[in-house]
Amino acid sequence: SAVISQKPSRDICQRGTSLTIQCQVDSQVTMMFWYRQQPGQSLTLIATANQGSEATYESGFVIDKFPISRPNLTFSTLTVSNLSPEDSSIYLCSAMGGQGADTQYFGPGTRLTVL
Amino acid sequence: EDKVVQSPLSLVVHEGDTVTLNCSYEVTNFRSLLWYKQEKKAPTFLFMLTSSGIEKKSGRLSSILDKKELSSILNITATQTGDSAIYLCAVDYSGNTPLVFGKGTRLSVIA
Repeated sequence: SAVISQKPSRDICQRGTSLTIQCQVDSQVTMMFWYRQQPGQSLTLIATANQGSEATYESGFVIDKFPISRPNLTFSTLTVSNLSPEDSSIYLCSAMGGQGADTQYFGPGTRLTVL
Repeated sequence: EDKVVQSPLSLVVHEGDTVTLNCSYEVTNFRSLLWYKQEKKAPTFLFMLTSSGIEKKSGRLSSILDKKELSSILNITATQTGDSAIYLCAVDYSGNTPLVFGKGTRLSVIA
């Protein structure tokens, strides 16, 4: 199984600022994903982080608001820009396509609160 | 239209009860079905099911897939308060795309 770490685990940010979340996988993986989970909701996919190319965003999510980097096969970042209270959520990094290739594993999540 | 539907959305049981959680899905490009348990933040993997009729078991938890009915159940026997969580069902529709999640079943086990 892949072990995924995320930093920070939680943060409280002011409106209008940005937060960058880092995701590190302990092995090379093909696919990395970023999810958002708003309070009381299920997971919503934000984008697929592609290595060496731009991320693929789901409907309702745009690169200007959620820029993503994927510089190599084990690392990705998600930035949540121009924060508003509506961005308060748990953000989860996920990976698949490494060892145990068919299973999608999740990082521990980042709990973001925007004041 | 939801591709993965879970029921019930929430459930409250007493310790020692047995619960059955349901998940139904669309057939198009189905590859596998996965169950996750979500307590605080991140979902943790429970089972992956690809073949119909083969039960997967881990302790008090078990799950089975029925491809004819396009559904899966997750059983928890002799429930404990530590089983309280959201149980997520997810389907891999092609193997190369992210999972499609259901809305989850919130299980509360009371002493």
